[in-house]
Amino acid sequence: GGIITQTPKFLIGQEGQKLTLKCQQNFNHDTMYWYRQDSGKGLRLIYYSITENDLQKGDLSEGYDASREKKSSFSLTVTSAQKNEMAVFLCASRRTGGNYAEQFFGPGTRLTVL
Amino acid sequence: QQKVQQSPESLIVPEGGMASLNCTFSDRNSQYFWWYRQHSGEGPKALMSIFSNGDKKEGRFTAHLNKASLHVSLHIKDSQPSDSALYFCAVTLSNYNVLYFGSGTKLTVEP
Repeated sequence: GGIITQTPKFLIGQEGQKLTLKCQQNFNHDTMYWYRQDSGKGLRLIYYSITENDLQKGDLSEGYDASREKKSSFSLTVTSAQKNEMAVFLCASRRTGGNYAEQFFGPGTRLTVL
Repeated sequence: QQKVQQSPESLIVPEGGMASLNCTFSDRNSQYFWWYRQHSGEGPKALMSIFSNGDKKEGRFTAHLNKASLHVSLHIKDSQPSDSALYFCAVTLSNYNVLYFGSGTKLTVEP
């Protein structure tokens, strides 16, 4: 088994501020993801990475940067926080090479922009 | 662009009852189908997956896939209060790394 840790659990920022969210996994998975979940809604993919130093854009990448510093960690930066970005950001990981491999999710970082 | 739609948005069933959740997808090249469950305050967790037409049963949960009608469903037998959660349908195309999620069905099981 393994675990995905997201920090911080709650993040409060000011409009226009640059904010960074962090994710660590100990599954030894190759692929990692960042999703955004708006209240009671579905997940939208922001970025994913299939290996260290790789980055692939999702449908919602505008306004975000990401960094895969090493296999176990994946960071997301909100480049300029906006009031309509109050949401939960979920990190996930998956074993690459298995078509049927599921994604495992962390508990999320809840972002509030004042 | 893959579109995944779920219905109903919310569903209330009595304890011991059957819950039926529906999902339609737009791309006929869709390959693999997942159901995820998310309890309040937690991340989603995979319940089960299906890739062949027909039924797949895992305990109280049965998934049904009909690729021709672009439809996948989840049926929960003998529903328990602990089944109360947000349920997501998720679909892959040829890139198995990318999952397209529906907007979810909120299930409430009343004791």
